[in-house]
Amino acid sequence: QVQLVQSGAEVKKPGASVKVSCKSSGHTFTNYGVSWVRQAPGQGLEWMGWISADEVNTKYAQKFQGRVTMTTDTSTSTAYMELRSLRSGDTAVYFCATDRMMNWNYPDISDIWGQGTMVTVSS
Amino acid sequence: DIQMTQSPSTLSASVGDRVTITCRASQSISNWLAWYQQKPGKAPKLLIYKASTLESGVPSRFSGSGSGTEFTLTISSLQPDDFATYYCQQYESYVLTFGGGTKVEIK
Repeated sequence: QVQLVQSGAEVKKPGASVKVSCKSSGHTFTNYGVSWVRQAPGQGLEWMGWISADEVNTKYAQKFQGRVTMTTDTSTSTAYMELRSLRSGDTAVYFCATDRMMNWNYPDISDIWGQGTMVTVSS
Repeated sequence: DIQMTQSPSTLSASVGDRVTITCRASQSISNWLAWYQQKPGKAPKLLIYKASTLESGVPSRFSGSGSGTEFTLTISSLQPDDFATYYCQQYESYVLTFGGGTKVEIK
């Protein structure tokens, strides 16, 4: 059974960075890309970007270009999302989610999701 | 980026009702559309992909239709477990986008 387990809640000050991890188990990690989606309190889902598990390809939403970096560590089957220059509007639950189909070239829809990581940005 | 617009944003319905949610894309996405269900405090759950294909394990009362720019999610007979928020997502482009969501509430 495929499972994604994310790191714990974070509290950060404005201007700081946060790095959220997403550890995969139950499938061949290198065959499936990972998307990152966030959800501000009481708001809808926002797709941030995607990385192929082999780290060759990344796609970021324009809104986050230059402020986000997505990486993977195939040795531990873990994906990471780092967001820099945090502001209060970045307060949200951050989800990782794995591609439904094996592919290495483009983002796909997600059928397995992590439990979410709450990131709070406050002075 | 392709914009996705859902309507209504909130829907009040009773158990047993037939419910329809609409999702419109700002440009043609063929049938590259998925629907998710999300309950409070939980991750989204994939219901439908390629506009009308039911994900394994999803009850058959859920159905999807449409192509191009207009899509619908229908719940044929609303059950207590279906009260949740529903999101569409396009995956035609390399930048995926979600609709704003439709909250299905108890009437």
